[in-house]
Amino acid sequence: SQQGEEDPQALSIQEGENATMNCSYKTSINNLQWYRQNSGRGLVHLILIRSNEREKHSGRLRVTLDTSKKSSSLLITASRAADTASYFCATEYPTDSWGKLQFGAGTQVVVTP
Amino acid sequence: EPEVTQTPSHQVTQMGQEVILRCVPISNHLYFYWYRQILGQKVEFLVSFYNNEISEKSEIFDDQFSVERPDGSNFTLKIRSTKLEDSAMYFCATRDTLNTEAFFGQGTRLTVV
Repeated sequence: SQQGEEDPQALSIQEGENATMNCSYKTSINNLQWYRQNSGRGLVHLILIRSNEREKHSGRLRVTLDTSKKSSSLLITASRAADTASYFCATEYPTDSWGKLQFGAGTQVVVTP
Repeated sequence: EPEVTQTPSHQVTQMGQEVILRCVPISNHLYFYWYRQILGQKVEFLVSFYNNEISEKSEIFDDQFSVERPDGSNFTLKIRSTKLEDSAMYFCATRDTLNTEAFFGQGTRLTVV
């Protein structure tokens, strides 16, 4: 399987702390996208990072991509209770001509006040 | 901000019945997808649709499934004869070109009883 795999599976932190989660994949990618899912709800797009990019920021989110290690990380700085959600990475591969995304199992993040 | 809209948000149906899940894509998007997420599992690709035809489908997308864009706006997923194992959250996703952000709807929770 080429699917990205996140770690850790679960993360529990206190408000104000940073949360870091990682995604590893197996072969070269076109891009990697991070999504958030609140319990039982829709997938909210966070950041897309392409294979020729190394780092992207959006507000309190920072995503890095290391193509040599085939891994990406998502950092949430100064976390808030509202950041409690599951976070997924999804990869798009050059071999998938029509742009399907392959999702990892996700990291469940709980931020306690 | 433009968004992908899915209806209904929740559908309960009896085994063997037909269901149609509806999606209104973002207006200038050309690539359309259906994914599903069985409770507690990964998000799985079902089918991609471009230029009014299926461009790729997964093994899950068997003869019981079909997609169409009947009126140039709605994008529908039909399950002809539902099974218990079809119970899942179904997500529609759209994007304007490949290697760009894929935006997901809020999902339809399908419960087959």
